[in-house]
Amino acid sequence: DAGVTQSPTHLIKTRGQHVTLRCSPISGHKSVSWYQQVLGQGPQFIFQYYEKEERGRGNFPDRFSARQFPNYSSELNVNALLLGDSALYLCASSPRTGPWWGYTFGSGTRLTVV
Amino acid sequence: AQSVTQLGSHVSVSEGALVLLRCNYSSSVPPYLFWYVQYPNQGLQLLLKYTSAATLVKGINGFEAEFKKSETSFHLTKPSAHMSDAAEYFCAVSPEPSGSRLTFGEGTQLTVNP
Repeated sequence: DAGVTQSPTHLIKTRGQHVTLRCSPISGHKSVSWYQQVLGQGPQFIFQYYEKEERGRGNFPDRFSARQFPNYSSELNVNALLLGDSALYLCASSPRTGPWWGYTFGSGTRLTVV
Repeated sequence: AQSVTQLGSHVSVSEGALVLLRCNYSSSVPPYLFWYVQYPNQGLQLLLKYTSAATLVKGINGFEAEFKKSETSFHLTKPSAHMSDAAEYFCAVSPEPSGSRLTFGEGTQLTVNP
């Protein structure tokens, strides 16, 4: 059974550019959450989507946006990239809303902004 | 807002020794607490979660954690460290089972010496 798939695994972008990160949840999971993990820190919550609706938003600027598709896959978009956006972006899927029901994390997308 | 504090960003033990990783939470209501492990270049894996059914929670790979309300703590222990336990460990809190987010601590890097 496939786990949570994130693409790409690594990418390098220039300041001011736009980036799209993708996540495919475990089959049957309807909730996707996004976290940002800066080197040396714990992950920070960005968004949660459940049944294609936003169910939670963390303390991130409007440059960050996301959406969930009918097949429950998700995209995280970041506009006007800053050096400080360099981080590991983690996607977590769960069968229902909330981490209690069992988050499964992907391996992440390592974003480097230069 | 709920938060967790992990005491000690780095912990080093010898193989076969007791592992103790400390986590204290800040919450005005009974929290839902989690421990995750992150191996290099991987996502996070759930070790255990506090259900409120029992104060001593057993997880995977021989780890367990004890919830102590009087000390607002949820420390992670393992009686005998193995080389494969070397990883980063994160304590996390959620305000409710259906809450949309986890708030993570800063993490503790565990080194196991032969």
